[in-house]
Amino acid sequence: GDQVEQSPSALSLHEGTGSALRCNFTTTMRAVQWFQQNSRGSLINLFYLASGTKENGRLKSTFNSKESYSTLHIRDAQLEDSGTYFCAAGTGGYKVVFGSGTRLLVSP
Amino acid sequence: GPKVLQIPSHQIIDMGQMVTLNCDPVSNHLYFYWYKQILGQQMEFLVNFYNGKVMEKSKLFKDQFSVERPDGSYFTLKIQPTALEDSAVYFCASSLTENTLYFGAGTRLSVL
Repeated sequence: GDQVEQSPSALSLHEGTGSALRCNFTTTMRAVQWFQQNSRGSLINLFYLASGTKENGRLKSTFNSKESYSTLHIRDAQLEDSGTYFCAAGTGGYKVVFGSGTRLLVSP
Repeated sequence: GPKVLQIPSHQIIDMGQMVTLNCDPVSNHLYFYWYKQILGQQMEFLVNFYNGKVMEKSKLFKDQFSVERPDGSYFTLKIQPTALEDSAVYFCASSLTENTLYFGAGTRLSVL
């Protein structure tokens, strides 16, 4: 079955505002990655976490392996943040599974 | 950051023909992956390759699919024969450890 449940599926933000994306895992994951897929289709690495919280500019991500979830917070959203955001996680084996993605649209 | 290169960026092929998608992974990486994405939808895991062997594959990795990395060169995905439903963007990824993936820009495969 599906191991990674990502929400929301779509999100609209005005410039300067913020929100959070979430991935819930139905099995224990060893690590999570977050990606942004831009309008050209390229996947941009945002974060890799085996635990805890990381921050980079206006983005912050948390991974709680015990409670089986990860979040990606975006603050002060800019137009260039528009795109599709994916989480991806692995159990420590060879298969890394993606969430279904969150389509983010930032408008003026 | 580390770069994974995929060649070509777009491939158009007639149904039933063979196609080989090429991936130049990060030089010291040990794990190699292929993913399939249809029309900007979910990234679907196809296969993982390590130490010259397929370690895990999904149901999407049909019998017509094969992967190899001869002599440490390109990591390839071969589809023979192709079908209409194989049209998608195929992403290659590589990693040094099991869970930190770096992706290429994808090859858009159009099967006519």
